[in-house]
Amino acid sequence: AQSVSQHNHHVILSEAASLELGCNYSYGGTVNLFWYVQYPGQHLQLLLKYFSGDPLVKGIKGFEAEFIKSKFSFNLRKPSVQWSDTAEYFCAVQVYNTDKLIFGTGTRLQVFP
Amino acid sequence: EPEVTQTPSHQVTQMGQEVILRCVPISNHLYFYWYRQILGQKVEFLVSFYNNEISEKSEIFDDQFSVERPDGSNFTLKIRSTKLEDSAMYFCASREKETGTYEQYFGPGTRLTVT
Repeated sequence: AQSVSQHNHHVILSEAASLELGCNYSYGGTVNLFWYVQYPGQHLQLLLKYFSGDPLVKGIKGFEAEFIKSKFSFNLRKPSVQWSDTAEYFCAVQVYNTDKLIFGTGTRLQVFP
Repeated sequence: EPEVTQTPSHQVTQMGQEVILRCVPISNHLYFYWYRQILGQKVEFLVSFYNNEISEKSEIFDDQFSVERPDGSNFTLKIRSTKLEDSAMYFCASREKETGTYEQYFGPGTRLTVT
């Protein structure tokens, strides 16, 4: 069965530090890839998505992610985090020709001023 | 900006009771979904719904669960006889007809507590 792994469960950073959150998936075929964010008390919002083309995708709020097909990875990055980035981050995969998102367990990011 | 809304935000029910969770998807969206997240676990897909029928469902979505679009705006999830293990946050999502993008828009969730 397809699965998504997020290895960092809880990340604590100071403002201006760089961020990289790992995401790996297990499926050998075509996938669409997503990062969602959930700010405290709010709903899941899409940060960025990859469907095809340039494997480096840019999303909102300065986030970017790189799809490395050979590593089955889609890591999320931000060069300089802010206190307002404190949230839970979810990686998700949609297997081609299915209609569901498969989520990772999420990474809780805390940014201290 | 249009949003998916869900009611109630928190539902407490006794084991064996029926519950109906309600969602109002974004108005021009055609695909609808339910997901759930048990505390401390992953967000899990339950069911997708298009053109008034289920298009895909997971093994979690057994005979105790049903979905309905009773009118042009609501999308409901019914659990016929709740169990303790149904306690979770339930998220509704919707998306437009596929036009090259695939973003699912999520609601804020309903926290279901079964006692």
